[in-house]
Amino acid sequence: DSGVTQTPKHLITATGQRVTLRCSPRSGDLSVYWYQQSLDQGLQFLIQYYNGEERAKGNILERFSAQQFPDLHSELNLSSLELGDSALYFCASSVTAGSLNEQFFGPGTRLTVL
Amino acid sequence: AQSVAQPEDQVNVAEGNPLTVKCTYSVSGNPYLFWYVQYPNRGLQFLLKYITGDNLVKGSYGFEAEFNKSQTSFHLKKPSALVSDSALYFCAVRDIRDTGRRALTFGSGTRLQVQP
Repeated sequence: DSGVTQTPKHLITATGQRVTLRCSPRSGDLSVYWYQQSLDQGLQFLIQYYNGEERAKGNILERFSAQQFPDLHSELNLSSLELGDSALYFCASSVTAGSLNEQFFGPGTRLTVL
Repeated sequence: AQSVAQPEDQVNVAEGNPLTVKCTYSVSGNPYLFWYVQYPNRGLQFLLKYITGDNLVKGSYGFEAEFNKSQTSFHLKKPSALVSDSALYFCAVRDIRDTGRRALTFGSGTRLQVQP
């Protein structure tokens, strides 16, 4: 168990809908990363937050947004969902902002868009 | 730009035999290199990293990796494979000069299958 929790575990929704994925980092970790894992795209970095502020941005679509709250949990919002958004979404956390530190991954949220 | 390639989708090895999972990278500066492992229905777990220093890096579960700058490679190795090593392995890189994006780029993953 990495200490990173993600909810929900599974999410099934329809095209055009909006969903929110939630992540709680390990106790003491200030940095949260979001990744998307799909069969055709592999593991893609989406966005990183550190202590409430956006730190780095990857291949995140404009339909997607994220935030990190004062208690350090993070939410990833996916809107106007398309079939191609079906994937496993991982959250990871680390102690500091630098990506050189070990990242601890949560179990993921499997999103299915029908 | 930084990139990483894992040329083998799958590696099959018999239990007790040595294993190698290949990784090559491309960066404009010097690389920071990582290996992560993903077991079925789990998130990724950190195995080891190379930042600087000794080219041979030892990590968790008896794995090690060798940084080879001339061949731009960072192959993962283990002297004696276990059935429980069967999993998906990811190599990742970050360019030391990347002060903007500052994120890891992951390879496509290699599935390791260890036969009893």
